[in-house]
Amino acid sequence: GAVVSQHPSRVICKSGTSVKIECRSLDFQATTMFWYRQFPKQSLMLMATSNEGSKATYEQGVEKDKFLINHASLTLSTLTVTSAHPEDSSFYICSARGGGTPSTYEQYFGPGTRLTVT
Amino acid sequence: ILNVEQSPQSLHVQEGDSTNFTCSFPSSNFYALHWYRWETAKSPEALFVMTLNGDEKKKGRISATLNTKEGYSYLYIKGSQPEDSATYLCAFRLYGQNFVFGPGTRLSVLP
Repeated sequence: GAVVSQHPSRVICKSGTSVKIECRSLDFQATTMFWYRQFPKQSLMLMATSNEGSKATYEQGVEKDKFLINHASLTLSTLTVTSAHPEDSSFYICSARGGGTPSTYEQYFGPGTRLTVT
Repeated sequence: ILNVEQSPQSLHVQEGDSTNFTCSFPSSNFYALHWYRWETAKSPEALFVMTLNGDEKKKGRISATLNTKEGYSYLYIKGSQPEDSATYLCAFRLYGQNFVFGPGTRLSVLP
């Protein structure tokens, strides 16, 4: 149980285009999903918290107009990188909050998306 | 800005060796500490969530300890196998806050 899929796994796009990444919880409902970005040799950095049916909460320094997040159902959140530039090239990974108490809840991760902007 | 450190950054061990690595985190306002195992091209897999000082958790040959007063957790692998090769991430949480991840320890187990 607790499987999260992410699509696509790799994408190459031209500068100025937009790219959509999907994150799905396959066997459970996720009211909260998280989007992270990882640069080489660095930690996973939280970009935003996505709550079903409401606006995402973005971390400081993350442009909400550039990284559009939509969480329209309990099993799907999407991240759209708008007008992508080479500096947006990174590894993007989503996770879904599992059940449990506030202290013990787990995050279940997708396998990530490698974005390359040329 | 919270800082979570992991050491070593990477290590190579021979099959059958036991090994351990460290996660260091701020010792004040601790809430929870998570360990994940992340194999290449797969999703990070939750190993342990630890909340109490002195906690010790075990899953097969992998175990973890927690010292919240001094701000560290150890992950131990007994009798390493090639399938243990992965990056091991720890993540720290304050109350009501999101996960803060360390950079990971990359383990390679040589047959």
